[in-house]
Amino acid sequence: DGGITQSPKYLFRKEGQNVTLSCEQNLNHDAMYWYRQDPGQGLRLIYYSQIVNDFQKGDIAEGYSVSREKKESFPLTVTSAQKNPTAFYLCASSSDRGSYNEQFFGPGTRLTVL
Amino acid sequence: AQTVTQSQPEMSVQEAETVTLSCTYDTSESDYYLFWYKQPPSRQMILVIRQEAYKQQNATENRFSVNFQKAAKSFSLKISDSQLGDAAMYFCAYSGFQKLVFGTGTRLLVSP
Repeated sequence: DGGITQSPKYLFRKEGQNVTLSCEQNLNHDAMYWYRQDPGQGLRLIYYSQIVNDFQKGDIAEGYSVSREKKESFPLTVTSAQKNPTAFYLCASSSDRGSYNEQFFGPGTRLTVL
Repeated sequence: AQTVTQSQPEMSVQEAETVTLSCTYDTSESDYYLFWYKQPPSRQMILVIRQEAYKQQNATENRFSVNFQKAAKSFSLKISDSQLGDAAMYFCAYSGFQKLVFGTGTRLLVSP
């Protein structure tokens, strides 16, 4: 079955540590996205990538980093510079890079800073 | 920049009744797409319905339909014959170039 997988489902981090969230898709989509979701808020875009080896900052990129070495994979690193990283993180992909941007989402990762 | 506004933080409906969720957006573009996504307690985002701005006909998917008013920049979602499984957060989204812009969501409660 085609889809998007994210791992782990739950992640705990100590303050000062970097952590990496995994996102893999087998939909052959060119574009991939990372969102952060906080209670009472919608989805906020962290980073996105339209093609391999290229990515752009979204609205809240500070304290995060990404890479896009393979079409199928778009890992997100939450660095120690992110002041409030506890949140729910969603990865998405899309086959279109233009104005029609229907996105398919993974199941998400819940990150908690201890 | 495009913005999407959902002014109803929470809505309630009884089973078998109809409910309408509101969404307005702001854009200077003439060609775009609009989406409604559902996020149940599992937190998996599920596409409910899509609307192409150049189409005047309102989109329909089974019990879900939209009222798209392009001049008013309004895109409401109507759920008919509500079911307990419809209980979820609903997000309206505008498809701009290369990315989606989401509203803050409306929580739908469904009572028996």
